[in-house]
Amino acid sequence: AQRVTQPEKLLSVFKGAPVELKCNYSYSGSPELFWYVQYSRQRLQLLLRHISRESIKGFTADLNKGETSFHLKKPFAQEEDSAMYYCALGPSYNFNKFYFGSGTKLNVKP
Amino acid sequence: DAGVTQSPTHLIKTRGQQVTLRCSPKSGHDTVSWYQQALGQGPQFIFQYYEEEERQRGNFPDRFSGHQFPNYSSELNVNALLLGDSALYLCASSLRVGTMAATEAFFGQGTRLTVV
Repeated sequence: AQRVTQPEKLLSVFKGAPVELKCNYSYSGSPELFWYVQYSRQRLQLLLRHISRESIKGFTADLNKGETSFHLKKPFAQEEDSAMYYCALGPSYNFNKFYFGSGTKLNVKP
Repeated sequence: DAGVTQSPTHLIKTRGQQVTLRCSPKSGHDTVSWYQQALGQGPQFIFQYYEEEERQRGNFPDRFSGHQFPNYSSELNVNALLLGDSALYLCASSLRVGTMAATEAFFGQGTRLTVV
């Protein structure tokens, strides 16, 4: 069964501190992994995806197939990073069929 | 380009009624997926349309149906509304490349449905 688990509903850090948002998944097959972000009063938007192996806004995510994890990391949090973050997975052939986690709200304090 | 647009933004319906939600995809996109997001939860996949047919479906009852028009816009219909159908309904569009829904999916702002 397909499942995405984000264990933290809320994560509060101070500006400049490292951030790690956890994501674990289960999937039968070879999924593609994504992180989506929703800033206040804005629509859900793609932050990064595993296949691109890129860093967006200083965020990176490493796929660990052994631990079935796709944690999102940033070495130095900024106040503008405060948002709702969703981990998502989907089949490799369909980038518009996602299984989302329940989300983690990141609050970066000044 | 206005991106993905959804209408209406908010809607209040009574139990047992029927509702239709609308989505216009981003310019150049031909595939539309619908998601239901209950309060405090992540979006849950309902179904996906391309070439005017339902191609993929999540774990939702037949009360949830849809349609895609030749201009790629789409409708989500929900019959016999239940209180539990209260949620934010999101539409996401993308472009197929060959047999894949291969490009980044862009989401709309959603329609907030309240069933009373």
